[in-house]
Amino acid sequence: EAAVTQSPRNKVAVTGGKVTLSCNQTNNHNNMYWYRQDTGHGLRLIHYSYGAGSTEKGDIPDGYKASRPSQENFSLILELATPSQTSVYFCASGDLGANSDYTFGSGTRLLVI
Amino acid sequence: GNSVTQMQGQVTLSEEEFLFINCTYSTTGYPTLFWYVQYPGEGPQLLLKVTTANNKGSSRGFEATYDKGTTSFHLQKASVQESDSAVYYCVLGEGTGGYKVVFGSGTRLLVSP
Repeated sequence: EAAVTQSPRNKVAVTGGKVTLSCNQTNNHNNMYWYRQDTGHGLRLIHYSYGAGSTEKGDIPDGYKASRPSQENFSLILELATPSQTSVYFCASGDLGANSDYTFGSGTRLLVI
Repeated sequence: GNSVTQMQGQVTLSEEEFLFINCTYSTTGYPTLFWYVQYPGEGPQLLLKVTTANNKGSSRGFEATYDKGTTSFHLQKASVQESDSAVYYCVLGEGTGGYKVVFGSGTRLLVSP
């Protein structure tokens, strides 16, 4: 069954440390997305990708980098984690075209202390 | 720019009551409209979508009609169950490339037995 798998499921990081969140999709979708979800803010787009080797800035990219080494994998990187990046992060994949629906992963809960 | 408005932050119902969740949108284009549902501890998942104005989408007893005249896409269900308790997002997709997707702020539905 086609799916989006995120790892880790939960992560505790120290302020100033490097954090990498991973996402793998078996949908063969071209597009992949990283969102964060916070109470009062809903889902906000951080970075997205149109295919292997491509990364684009979303609405709130500051403090985050992304990497898309292959069609299947899309990583979100926090080079210097801060407590304000404590959140739940969701990865999604989708096909080309805005009428394509998204498949989301189950999320990564990140706590930065 | 494109926007989606969900005025109801939370809706509380008893089982078998009628559900109505309000959603209005703003765009200059010809969007596809979606409803996503998010259960606790999971990522959002597609509930239904409608690609053409004045058409209705339905799934699992939920219905929504794409009304271009009133720019609305309200979600309805005749009789809710406790298992419908979740957060519901109205989403607008427009343009090419799949990036131009806008999430509403979400409406939390609580159904008591």
